[in-house]
Amino acid sequence: NAGVTQTPKFRVLKTGQSMTLLCAQDMNHEYMYWYRQDPGMGLRLIHYSVGEGTTAKGEVPDGYNVSRLKKQNFLLGLESAAPSQTSVYFCASSSPSRGVSYEQYFGPGTRLTVT
Amino acid sequence: QQQVKQSPQSLIVQKGGISIINCAYENTAFDYFPWYQQFPGKGPALLIAIRPDVSEKKEGRFTISFNKSAKQFSLHIMDSQPGDSATYFCAASTEYGNKLVFGAGTILRVKS
Repeated sequence: NAGVTQTPKFRVLKTGQSMTLLCAQDMNHEYMYWYRQDPGMGLRLIHYSVGEGTTAKGEVPDGYNVSRLKKQNFLLGLESAAPSQTSVYFCASSSPSRGVSYEQYFGPGTRLTVT
Repeated sequence: QQQVKQSPQSLIVQKGGISIINCAYENTAFDYFPWYQQFPGKGPALLIAIRPDVSEKKEGRFTISFNKSAKQFSLHIMDSQPGDSATYFCAASTEYGNKLVFGAGTILRVKS
């Protein structure tokens, strides 16, 4: 069981470039999330998905798009990267519908620098 | 405007001492309050969580105290160990733990 995996681990982009971050989970979780972590600000929710084919905006969605074509994968896209998007990005998944635990399981993170 | 305010930003505790981290929230609709622990270079991991129908929850050396009327909750780490040195985040949510709102984090260092 790999849990939640993220690709890539590190990336440097120039302003205006685009990229996609991939998150995969093997726990058959219904819910998946993308967060960004910045010093002194904790983690902030970018977008989330409550099931295959559905996505919704979180607290800081501007400049990002997401897709959930398969239950196990959740993609985060940056169409035109800006220096303000320099951050560590975390993916998480959970299965609250099972009624036992609301725990979110986090991946190891992707460190993105936009120059 | 941060919906969950966490303090202190950093904390140094002697080995064997008690570490206390506090959080306050405004949204009375929050019904799930977890604490996450994060080691450098890793993703956060759930440490302990509480629902508002109880005032305290204990798991080993970790205890959450919850004060619904004051809209505050805190994490107590008893007999703190160097291995507890990490960043701790409080969080809150509605909707079955969906849409977590995190505090800013507390960097804990336990000196041996």
